[in-house]
Amino acid sequence: KAGVTQTPRYLIKTRGQQVTLSCSPISGHRSVSWYQQTPGQGLQFLFEYFSETQRNKGNFPGRFSGRQFSNSRSEMNVSTLELGDSALYLCASGRLDSINTEAFFGQGTRLTVV
Amino acid sequence: QQQVKQSPQSLIVQKGGISIINCAYENTAFDYFPWYQQFPGKGPALLIAIRPDVSEKKEGRFTISFNKSAKQFSLHIMDSQPGDSATYFCAASIRASGTYKYIFGTGTRLKVLA
Repeated sequence: KAGVTQTPRYLIKTRGQQVTLSCSPISGHRSVSWYQQTPGQGLQFLFEYFSETQRNKGNFPGRFSGRQFSNSRSEMNVSTLELGDSALYLCASGRLDSINTEAFFGQGTRLTVV
Repeated sequence: QQQVKQSPQSLIVQKGGISIINCAYENTAFDYFPWYQQFPGKGPALLIAIRPDVSEKKEGRFTISFNKSAKQFSLHIMDSQPGDSATYFCAASIRASGTYKYIFGTGTRLKVLA
């Protein structure tokens, strides 16, 4: 069974640009969550989607947005990039069909803003 | 109230020793407490998880101890091996609300000496 796939793995962007990251969940998983991981702030929750609807949102500025498609694949977009957006962006997927099912993480997209 | 405090920040243990990592939380609505292991360049991988109605859960060399009254939980790695050298994160979520939104601790970098 294929795991959570995130593309691209590495990305270098310039300040002011925008970027789109993609996440393909494990087959059958309808929940997709996004996290930002930095050395200073650790793992921080960005947002969660379930069946194309955003269910939760973390404390990030409006420059961070996301969406989920009917096949459960998800994208996140960061507009007007800042140097501080450099981070590992992780996606996690889960079935969310019972209280005990787990979420599985992808390997992440390493974004560097220069 | 949403924070999960994790300690120590780093830990060095001899091969065969016991590694202990502690976490504390404030929000009594949290009802699911996983531990994740992360190797460099990889996404976090679930190690073991516990619900607050259980005081201890063991899977192989990994044990979670949970103290509901103190709002603390800890990970014990018995017979620590060099291959256990990684960063460990505790997390908490409110699964009863139907979400995978995790609040993560700040991580513990474990090094097991051969």
